[in-house]
Amino acid sequence: AQRVTQPEKLLSVFKGAPVELKCNYSYSGSPELFWYVQYSRQRLQLLLRHISRESIKGFTADLNKGETSFHLKKPFAQEEDSAMYYCALRAGGFKTIFGAGTRLFVKA
Amino acid sequence: DAGVIQSPRHEVTEMGQEVTLRCKLISGHNSLFWYRQTMMRGLELLIYFNNNVPIDDSGMPEDRFSAKMPNASFSTLKIQPSEPRDSAVYFCASSLSDAPGEQYFGPGTRLTVT
Repeated sequence: AQRVTQPEKLLSVFKGAPVELKCNYSYSGSPELFWYVQYSRQRLQLLLRHISRESIKGFTADLNKGETSFHLKKPFAQEEDSAMYYCALRAGGFKTIFGAGTRLFVKA
Repeated sequence: DAGVIQSPRHEVTEMGQEVTLRCKLISGHNSLFWYRQTMMRGLELLIYFNNNVPIDDSGMPEDRFSAKMPNASFSTLKIQPSEPRDSAVYFCASSLSDAPGEQYFGPGTRLTVT
C-alpha cells in the first residue's frame, strides 16, 4: 500500500537549533517526493521536490531509498520557519498522497 | 495570476442543506484536485480530474458528495444533503498534467454544518 508517515505531530525547537522533520514512505515503485508548507493564515505551498535536489529557505531533503525516507532538514531554525509541514508522495499517475503533517514551532 | 481561487471562503449551513464549493484553476493548468482537511484525518484526497475528466473519485466519502468540471478552468464540489461530520476545510489544487505532484493550492473553504 502507498503510504506517507510523519511520526511527529509537533516539533518544537529553539531558534538557531538544527531541525529535522521526519518522513517515511511506502511505495514499491520509483517515488517522487515533495515537501509542502503551510504558514499561518496562508495557503499550502510547495517547498521543495526531491528531483530538484535544491535548497529552499535553507531547507534540504534527501531521498534515501534504502530507508524509504525523505527527511526535511535545516541547520539553523528561524522563527519564521514555524509552520505546518507536509510530506507528499506521487505514487504514479496523478495521485499524490500527503502525510498527516508536522507542526514546527521555533521558539525565540 | 491570482492563483487558485476558491469560493466561498467560509460557509455555515444547517444539516440537510445543499452546499456547493467552487474552484477556479490557474490559467493553463489542466489537472484539478479536491482535498478535505480535518484535525482527525489530516489532508484527504477526494477526487481529481485531468483535462476535465474525473480520473479517480475513490476518495469521495459518500454518494452525497459529487464533483464536476464543466469547463477547463472551473470546478464545483457539491454535498447534498450536508451533515455535521462534513465540517472541514476543503481545498482545491491545480497542476500541469506533466507535474501532478507540484500542486498549487487554493486558500480553502471552511465549511461548518450545524
